[in-house]
Amino acid sequence: DSGVTQTPKHLITATGQRVTLRCSPRSGDLSVYWYQQSLDQGLQFLIQYYNGEERAKGNILERFSAQQFPDLHSELNLSSLELGDSALYFCASSVGNTPGNIQYFGAGTRLSVL
Amino acid sequence: EDQVTQSPEALRLQEGESSSLNCSYTVSGLRGLFWYRQDPGKGPEFLFTLYSAGEEKEKERLKATLTKKESFLHITAPKPEDSATYLCAVRESGYSTLTFGKGTMLLVSP
Repeated sequence: DSGVTQTPKHLITATGQRVTLRCSPRSGDLSVYWYQQSLDQGLQFLIQYYNGEERAKGNILERFSAQQFPDLHSELNLSSLELGDSALYFCASSVGNTPGNIQYFGAGTRLSVL
Repeated sequence: EDQVTQSPEALRLQEGESSSLNCSYTVSGLRGLFWYRQDPGKGPEFLFTLYSAGEEKEKERLKATLTKKESFLHITAPKPEDSATYLCAVRESGYSTLTFGKGTMLLVSP
């Protein structure tokens, strides 16, 4: 158990809908990262928050947004969902924001868009 | 062009048959190369971090090595429980984020 908690484990929804994925980082970790994993693209970095502020952005679509709350948990909001958004979404956390920090991953949320 | 390329995509071994997985990278200013293991339906699990050419790290049957252009994950006398997808990731100078390869799926048969 990595200590990173993601909910829900599975999510099934329809095209055009909006969903929210939740992540609780390990105790003491200030950084949260969101990744999308699909069969053809592998693990793709979406966005990073550090102590409540956006720190880095990757290949995140405009339909997607995230935030980190004062208690350090994070939410990833996906809207106007398309079939191609079906994937595994992982959250990772690390202590800080320095290059040596190890990212610990949660078990992921499997999103199926029908 | 992918910054991180892993090979082979899939590897099937017999129990006890040693082999190596490769991770080549093209980023400039490497600030860390990470190996993770991922079991089906689970999140990646951290294995090793390597920072400079010549560095080696070991854990049980796994040994990771690093050169200026690539890293190898050597698996000695593997067991069926070593079956998983092994992911390589790099952290580039000036960035706090990781770029992952697509992984090598390893299957060890008894």
